[in-house]
Amino acid sequence: AQSVSQHNHHVILSEAASLELGCNYSYGGTVNLFWYVQYPGQHLQLLLKYFSGDPLVKGIKGFEAEFIKSKFSFNLRKPSVQWSDTAEYFCAVILYNFNKFYFGSGTKLNVKP
Amino acid sequence: NAGVTQTPKFRVLKTGQSMTLLCAQDMNHEYMYWYRQDPGMGLRLIHYSVGEGTTAKGEVPDGYNVSRLKKQNFLLGLESAAPSQTSVYFCASSVYSYEQYFGPGTRLTVT
Repeated sequence: AQSVSQHNHHVILSEAASLELGCNYSYGGTVNLFWYVQYPGQHLQLLLKYFSGDPLVKGIKGFEAEFIKSKFSFNLRKPSVQWSDTAEYFCAVILYNFNKFYFGSGTKLNVKP
Repeated sequence: NAGVTQTPKFRVLKTGQSMTLLCAQDMNHEYMYWYRQDPGMGLRLIHYSVGEGTTAKGEVPDGYNVSRLKKQNFLLGLESAAPSQTSVYFCASSVYSYEQYFGPGTRLTVT
């Protein structure tokens, strides 16, 4: 079965610290990759996506992610976090030409002011 | 555009009761999905639909049924609610295999 792993379940950072959240998937074929964010009490919103082309993609609010095909990874980064980045972050994968999205278990980020 | 809406926002059921959750989207998306979100488990796909009149099972379909009679609506039914179905339910829609747009969620408690 396909799977998406997010190894960091809970991350605590101070404002201005750098962030990197890991995401690995288990499928060897072509994939579309996503990072979603869920602010407290809200629904999931798209941060960024990768379909093809430049493996370094930029999203909203200063987030970026790098697709490394050889490592089956799609890690999320932000150079300097803010208190308003406190949220839960989900990595998601969809197998190309298939209909199912697979989500990781999520990483809760707590940014201390 | 309202995007994806879900009705109701909250519901409390007794074990054995039934209910239907409604999801509606106004983006003319072909694909629609129902997920449940439980702490530490991310989102798990219950059922999905790739077009009007079609449905398919996801990862955790037991105890749920769905219908997609109209392109814009996707209904999730619980025939006989159980405490294990206490969760937050999210509906989403997408244009084929592209990004999903999520609704605000329904918080369901089964006592």
